Amino acid sequence: KAGVTQTPRYLIKTRGQQVTLSCSPISGHRSVSWYQQTPGQGLQFLFEYFSETQRNKGNFPGRFSGRQFSNSRSEMNVSTLELGDSALYLCASSLVPGSENTIYFGEGSWLTVV
Amino acid sequence: AQSVTQLDSHVSVSEGTPVLLRCNYSSSYSPSLFWYVQHPNKGLQLLLKYTSAATLVKGINGFEAEFKKSETSFHLTKPSAHMSDAAEYFCVVSDLQGAQKLVFGQGTRLTINP
Repeated sequence: KAGVTQTPRYLIKTRGQQVTLSCSPISGHRSVSWYQQTPGQGLQFLFEYFSETQRNKGNFPGRFSGRQFSNSRSEMNVSTLELGDSALYLCASSLVPGSENTIYFGEGSWLTVV
Repeated sequence: AQSVTQLDSHVSVSEGTPVLLRCNYSSSYSPSLFWYVQHPNKGLQLLLKYTSAATLVKGINGFEAEFKKSETSFHLTKPSAHMSDAAEYFCVVSDLQGAQKLVFGQGTRLTINP
């Protein structure tokens, strides 16, 4: 079956713009989380969604937001982009929340802010 | 909060020799621990996970890890390295029970010499 699908895979944006990234979880998975990966900060947790509700949020400014739809697909949005937002954004899914459930990652969306 | 420390940022071994990637964790409760691998320009693939069952955990591609509570360690090993093992490896702890929130180590880059 298909894995976690993220779109777009690569994008370039200008400072001040906004961006929306999309994530389709594995079929049947209802829990989705997002992570930011940068060379300096490593992998950091952004948000976690389950049943269209944000359950946890990482330590990121309010410019970072997300949502989950009734079909479990998720989007994250970054407004007023800064150069430091350049990163690989990874989406992960599992059947339901809880580390006993295997968490699968997508290949990520590479965002470059110029 | 839970945390993990990967003791080596870079490990280099010869093909056919054993691999040891070291990880120490800090957790206020019985943790769930994982090792993920990331090949260049790829997402994260789960190698193995520990969730309070057997302390010796076997994963994919011949990797295994041993949970040692007394040493707060979860080191990753493989008896014989293969060129395809060259990648970045992340030790990960689940930050909240019942949540899909992971805390990543800074990663260990594994280089395999022919």
